[in-house]
Amino acid sequence: GQQLNQSPQSMFIQEGEDVSMNCTSSSIFNTWLWYKQEPGEGPVLLIALYKAGELTSNGRLTAQFGITRKDSFLNISASIPSDVGIYFCAGQGAGGTSYGKLTFGQGTILTVHP
Amino acid sequence: GAVVSQHPSRVICKSGTSVKIECRSLDFQATTMFWYRQFPKQSLMLMATSNEGSKATYEQGVEKDKFLINHASLTLSTLTVTSAHPEDSSFYICSATTSSYEQYFGPGTRLTVT
Repeated sequence: GQQLNQSPQSMFIQEGEDVSMNCTSSSIFNTWLWYKQEPGEGPVLLIALYKAGELTSNGRLTAQFGITRKDSFLNISASIPSDVGIYFCAGQGAGGTSYGKLTFGQGTILTVHP
Repeated sequence: GAVVSQHPSRVICKSGTSVKIECRSLDFQATTMFWYRQFPKQSLMLMATSNEGSKATYEQGVEKDKFLINHASLTLSTLTVTSAHPEDSSFYICSATTSSYEQYFGPGTRLTVT
């Protein structure tokens, strides 16, 4: 089945630093999504990417859909304490029975020290 | 927009009893809803795909007779954990898709079986 490898697993950074995390897949996806999850809550959609090569920003967040459709990265600039949480990448099925389903990466736990 | 709610947010039940969790899309109609399970510090694991008016499609290894899913309307899906056991204790999260196939997640339900 489809698998996503997300790295790094965790990051400990100082406030103000930039952050980068990425996901790679053994399969092609039609859509890449990035979510943030805080303790005891559901994931919240940060950025959705629909086209290979697409680069999209949402405030201090920037994400790109890889040209091969098998990878994506998320950058957070000038981190602040409220950026703390678990960040998940997710690929959305390319067709057939997997259409619409999400496959999640393992998550990146982000800790920001003031 | 695109708000998904879940009820209850937390539930504690005794072993052998059944528990129903509701997932509602509050401001949009969702033809498809998904149910996930998440263990502490792990990623989301898809349990089943629920389409309005039809039987749910379960992922491999998920017992359909134990996790009953009903998608009665375009805004409501329910997950019933039957004859719950302590190993069923987990964080259950639903999501609903918009017409553009973006998935929006509910806040999750923490189930504890004693």
